[in-house]
Amino acid sequence: EVVLTQSPGTLSLSPGERATLSCRASQSVDSRYFAWHQQKPGQAPRLLIYGTSNRATGIPDRFSGGGSGTDFTLTISRLEPEDFVVYFCQQYGTSPLTFGGGTKVDIK
Amino acid sequence: QVLLVQSGAEVKKPGASVKVSCKASGYTFGDFYIHWVRQAPGEGPEWMGWIVPNSGVTNYAEKFQGWVTMTRDTSISTAYMELTSLTSDDTAIYFCARGSVTQGNDYWGQGTLVTVSS
Repeated sequence: EVVLTQSPGTLSLSPGERATLSCRASQSVDSRYFAWHQQKPGQAPRLLIYGTSNRATGIPDRFSGGGSGTDFTLTISRLEPEDFVVYFCQQYGTSPLTFGGGTKVDIK
Repeated sequence: QVLLVQSGAEVKKPGASVKVSCKASGYTFGDFYIHWVRQAPGEGPEWMGWIVPNSGVTNYAEKFQGWVTMTRDTSISTAYMELTSLTSDDTAIYFCARGSVTQGNDYWGQGTLVTVSS
C-alpha cells in the first residue's frame, strides 16, 4: 500500500499569501495518477488537480500542482478567503487507492 | 451536469448492516467506475473499493473484504454499498465518487452519515 504523508498538518497564512502544501509517498507514484482534493466543512471533497498538474473543470488558475516520484506539491499562488479549508492528496494508480491525512490551511 | 445523489443518514446498532445508495445522473452510468470512500470524524478519506457498472465486477480494499458488498442496478443508474457486522469504528460519512481513468475521483456524492451506536 502506498502511504501518503502530508505536511504540514496545519498551515497558517494570511489572505493574499502563497501556500505550498507537500505530499510524500512511501514509494514512487505514477505522476499520471496523482491528485489533490479540497474539502470544505460539511461537504464532500472536490477534485482540484489530477495527473499531478492538471486543473479540474472550473478550478481557478491560482491552484497549481507539481512533483514526481515520491514528492508532490500543491501551490495556491494568492490565498482567497474561500481557500482556508482542508486539502488531501491521493494516488489512484495502484490498488488500494490511498489518501493523505490532510493539510488544513487556516487564517493567521 | 454530473450528479451523484446518496441516500439519507442512518443510525444502526452494533452488529447490524447498512446499505447506502448512490444515484447517478448527467452522464452514461456504464462509462465510469463507482468508488466508495469513507471518512471518520476528523480523519482523512479511506478508500473502500470500486464497482464497474457495466459488468458488476468489484475490487475491494483488503481491509473490507468479507464484510462489504458493492452492487448496482443499471436500469436506474444506481450503485449500492452494504457493510455488515457494524461496530462503533464504522461511524463515518460514506461517499460514492465517480472514477475516471485519467482524472480519478472527479465527482463525489454529498455523503451519507452512518452512526453506529447502542
